[in-house]
Amino acid sequence: GAGVSQSPSNKVTEKGKDVELRCDPISGHTALYWYRQSLGQGLEFLIYFQGNSAPDKSGLPSDRFSAERTGGSVSTLTIQRTQQEDSAVYLCASSLDRGEAFFGQGTRLTVV
Amino acid sequence: GNSVTQMEGPVTLSEEAFLTINCTYTATGYPSLFWYVQYPGEGLQLLLKATKADDKGSNKGFEATYRKETTSFHLEKGSVQVSDSAVYFCALQRRYSSASKIIFGSGTRLSIRP
Repeated sequence: GAGVSQSPSNKVTEKGKDVELRCDPISGHTALYWYRQSLGQGLEFLIYFQGNSAPDKSGLPSDRFSAERTGGSVSTLTIQRTQQEDSAVYLCASSLDRGEAFFGQGTRLTVV
Repeated sequence: GNSVTQMEGPVTLSEEAFLTINCTYTATGYPSLFWYVQYPGEGLQLLLKATKADDKGSNKGFEATYRKETTSFHLEKGSVQVSDSAVYFCALQRRYSSASKIIFGSGTRLSIRP
């Protein structure tokens, strides 16, 4: 596609429910990154993929968070048993190896 | 570990004023350095970058020079415009043979008064 696409753009969920956030990177980009941006805060690294493998998942906050990437393309970030502190904007980016990272518009997650 | 520290905002300036946003980093080795910008209602986008010491990145009138001796990458613009109002993030990335995580500063909100 023309850019990094994330869906849904907004998600409101009840505390305790599971959510899945999707990222469609730019075609051909081998690296894919997930970040979290809380209100007024900087970007918190979660995980990055090189192809389908995740060399660095050190930023995942707890075992409720997981992510996968299939076919070297689409990635899904799953949050189980959501908590109110999970409310944030989740950003995805992709790049060609060490090239410029292109970001999507993000998914705004609200846990009520 | 690797980290980025940038000046806290918000920063409010009048149009045509000179802008400096300070950024310093801590890293092992020699990382690539970036400034990203997030305009209101838009996604994060790369503004400029520098990949080695003494390199100067520039774009849209903004400049930043990679200073190894002071581990800094300050963002400057000689004459700001209202359209420059945005949040600016300094970032670094270790230079391996393949991609690695990008580490961001906390962001600096810039507001320009007409």
